[in-house]
Amino acid sequence: DAGVIQSPRHEVTEMGQEVTLRCKPISGHNSLFWYRQTMMRGLELLIYFNNNVPIDDSGMPEDRFSAKMPNASFSTLKIQPSEPRDSAVYFCASSRLGGLYEQYFGPGTRLTVT
Amino acid sequence: RKEVEQDPGPFNVPEGATVAFNCTYSNSASQSFFWYRQDCRKEPKLLMSVYSSGNEDGRFTAQLNRASQYISLLIRDSKLSDSATYLCVVNRNNAGNMLTFGGGTRLMVKP
Repeated sequence: DAGVIQSPRHEVTEMGQEVTLRCKPISGHNSLFWYRQTMMRGLELLIYFNNNVPIDDSGMPEDRFSAKMPNASFSTLKIQPSEPRDSAVYFCASSRLGGLYEQYFGPGTRLTVT
Repeated sequence: RKEVEQDPGPFNVPEGATVAFNCTYSNSASQSFFWYRQDCRKEPKLLMSVYSSGNEDGRFTAQLNRASQYISLLIRDSKLSDSATYLCVVNRNNAGNMLTFGGGTRLMVKP
């Protein structure tokens, strides 16, 4: 079975540009999570969806960040406009619905904003 | 105070050693606890869940002390392949979907 798929794996962009990160969760998983990892702040939850519905976006840093999940097999995280402080590794994870289920992480997108 | 606190290490140990990591959490309402492992430049992966009664998986033993809000991970007979960062993880909400990750403890096992 394919795991969580993320694209692109690496993204280098200039400040002010729009960045779109993509995620395909594991088939049959009803929960999807977007995380950001930096050396300074560690792994932070940005937003999560249950059954394609955003449940908690309190971790989204500011209005420049937005996330959508139009269907059960696809989600995007968009940053517009991007800033150098957005440079990080962005992980998407999915799980079955419920707190005791393992979250499976994708390989991450390494974003560098210059 | 951070929600989940860990000693960042690194812990440098020889092969075959026993090593223990500790973690404290601030939310007394937390119900689910996990240890995840993250290799360098890779994604985190579940190592084991932590149960109230303590649990063991091969060379790995996890324990939970709810009164002290403290979680531990013990690795016996450490292998070179155990070198990684170990993340202590606690759920944040009643539904259990939202996880808070500690900053991780880095382990380096040397020959």
